[in-house]
Amino acid sequence: AQKITQTQPGMFVQEKEAVTLDCTYDTSDPSYGLFWYKQPSSGEMIFLIYQGSYDQQNATEGRYSLNFQKARKSANLVISASQLGDSAMYFCAMGSHNNNDMRFGAGTRLTVKP
Amino acid sequence: SAVISQKPSRDICQRGTSLTIQCQVDSQVTMMFWYRQQPGQSLTLIATANQGSEATYESGFVIDKFPISRPNLTFSTLTVSNMSPEDSSIYLCSVNRGDNYGYTFGSGTRLTVV
Repeated sequence: AQKITQTQPGMFVQEKEAVTLDCTYDTSDPSYGLFWYKQPSSGEMIFLIYQGSYDQQNATEGRYSLNFQKARKSANLVISASQLGDSAMYFCAMGSHNNNDMRFGAGTRLTVKP
Repeated sequence: SAVISQKPSRDICQRGTSLTIQCQVDSQVTMMFWYRQQPGQSLTLIATANQGSEATYESGFVIDKFPISRPNLTFSTLTVSNMSPEDSSIYLCSVNRGDNYGYTFGSGTRLTVV
């Protein structure tokens, strides 16, 4: 069975600084994808970044990067140069070839301080 | 990637009534997924909807409570039946983006049952 763990219920970061949101996972599937989504107070789910299990390099998308450590089964999200608009819930998720759906971690609420 | 139109965006309903949520996708997709997000919680998969067959429900969710229709490859509905305050949640539909197993989400339906 797949399992996604986010151990940080809440995180604070000063504006313009970098922050790392933790995510660990467990799966027996050899091929899988890891995702991060942002959910602002409006409730919509915004896709941020994707990492494939066979990707050799860590994914990057603008200010977002994913620190993928396959042996440790971790996929931490790094947000550089935090902005006030980054304040939101962040969810780590996993999908695989064997399961067509996506499973989510508990989420981390990020607050960016001015 | 697909664009999903979900409605209503929010509703306040009386207990014992039913609400039908609609999702329209701008392209044909094989599977659509329905998630529930209870207040302060993560997303939980309710069911997977394939066109032309009955939806597949996750443990803890039953068809009588959450009937789903999938009449064609671009549309699906989720009905929350005989509502109680415990059904107050955000309900989201999603489809596979078609790349890297990623998923696009509708904007969500914020349901409050009084």
